[in-house]
Amino acid sequence: GAGVSQSPSNKVTEKGKDVELRCDPISGHTALYWYRQSLGQGLEFLIYFQGNSAPDKSGLPSDRFSAERTGGSVSTLTIQRTQQEDSAVYLCASSLDSVNQPQHFGDGTRLSIL
Amino acid sequence: AQRVTQPEKLLSVFKGAPVELKCNYSYSGSPELFWYVQYSRQRLQLLLRHISRESIKGFTADLNKGETSFHLKKPFAQEEDSAMYYCVISGAGSYQLTFGKGTKLSVIP
Repeated sequence: GAGVSQSPSNKVTEKGKDVELRCDPISGHTALYWYRQSLGQGLEFLIYFQGNSAPDKSGLPSDRFSAERTGGSVSTLTIQRTQQEDSAVYLCASSLDSVNQPQHFGDGTRLSIL
Repeated sequence: AQRVTQPEKLLSVFKGAPVELKCNYSYSGSPELFWYVQYSRQRLQLLLRHISRESIKGFTADLNKGETSFHLKKPFAQEEDSAMYYCVISGAGSYQLTFGKGTKLSVIP
């Protein structure tokens, strides 16, 4: 595909359940980012992967949030024991490199916690 | 800590009128500044970056370090400019982007 692909596009789940969100970056992009956009808010940085380096997890809001990137490509964001405040659009982006490179965004996953 | 302020949540202008989307930032060093745009039913995408000093789709943005501003301007608004615009800051040499809350531009035909 030509762009960043995210799945699912929409996810509705009950409070307390675990969810996994997937991101497939643009081929050849070494940097991958996860953001969260809550209603009426700007994008909030969550986590960043660059090549084989240790990820920057400084934006993760709690230990219920975790992310992996396998083989330097696909990434999965996992939210355990979901809470209603986790409801948001989760966006993934990738870039060729990390420093000041344009980030290419996916369509996002709209997560709704009932 | 870096911070971006977009004071207007919604801006409505008539087609052909000038547009200015305001952005102020807070950062102690030399930042990199961007404008990202999201058109209806499209992905968030980069519109322009200050280091490129380019005009994209008729839009320009000038970095004013004295006023810590990076306002986005276009002399004559078009209907297709209607979108959500985000001002974004990054520390020099950094990968982290900090987004403003966005301004929704509506161009009235």
